[in-house]
Amino acid sequence: SQTIHQWPATLVQPVGSPLSLECTVEGTSNPNLYWYRQAAGRGLQLLFYSVGIGQISSEVPQNLSASRPQDRQFILSSKKLLLSDSGFYLCARGQGYEQYFGPGTRLTVT
Amino acid sequence: AQSVTQLDSQVPVFEEAPVELRCNYSSSVSVYLFWYVQYPNQGLQLLLKYLSGSTLVKGINGFEAEFNKSQTSFHLRKPSVHISDTAEYFCAVSVGSGGYNKLIFGAGTRLAVHP
Repeated sequence: SQTIHQWPATLVQPVGSPLSLECTVEGTSNPNLYWYRQAAGRGLQLLFYSVGIGQISSEVPQNLSASRPQDRQFILSSKKLLLSDSGFYLCARGQGYEQYFGPGTRLTVT
Repeated sequence: AQSVTQLDSQVPVFEEAPVELRCNYSSSVSVYLFWYVQYPNQGLQLLLKYLSGSTLVKGINGFEAEFNKSQTSFHLRKPSVHISDTAEYFCAVSVGSGGYNKLIFGAGTRLAVHP
């Protein structure tokens, strides 16, 4: 079966600190991968997508960056967190026209 | 540009009553539509999808949706809800660009089932 892991599940970080969120996918090769953010009371915003190793596209300008060092690994990073970076971060893999989501990481910036 | 509008931000309903969550989309190309459910502090789970064929689509947990091209709608229905259906529901349309498909989500509808 195809499984998406996200680590960590929850994170509390001070403003100005760095960030690294990890997403790993099992059971498939060369998947399209996506990072979404869900801010409190808002819908899902696509942040980044990747169609292969080292290939990253950004949907919106922001304080975050993404990398794909391995086929099944997708990392979301920041050098200095802002309060507005708080939210629920979801990784997804594409399969045809649909997407399947991981369990998410709850980030609180204090 | 494609967009998705979920007409109700919150829908309260009593247990065992029927429910309809409304979704309208705008798209000038082939339409692929989805409903996802999100339980608190969890990821999104695919409920059902319309890609082609029959306009009435059945999904998991007793949900179904009907694709109506003339009204550009994809409303989600369940004839009898349970307390466990309390969650947030997202309608989405898939759009393709440059070798990948992107999902455009609605703002979500919070379904609250009361005993």
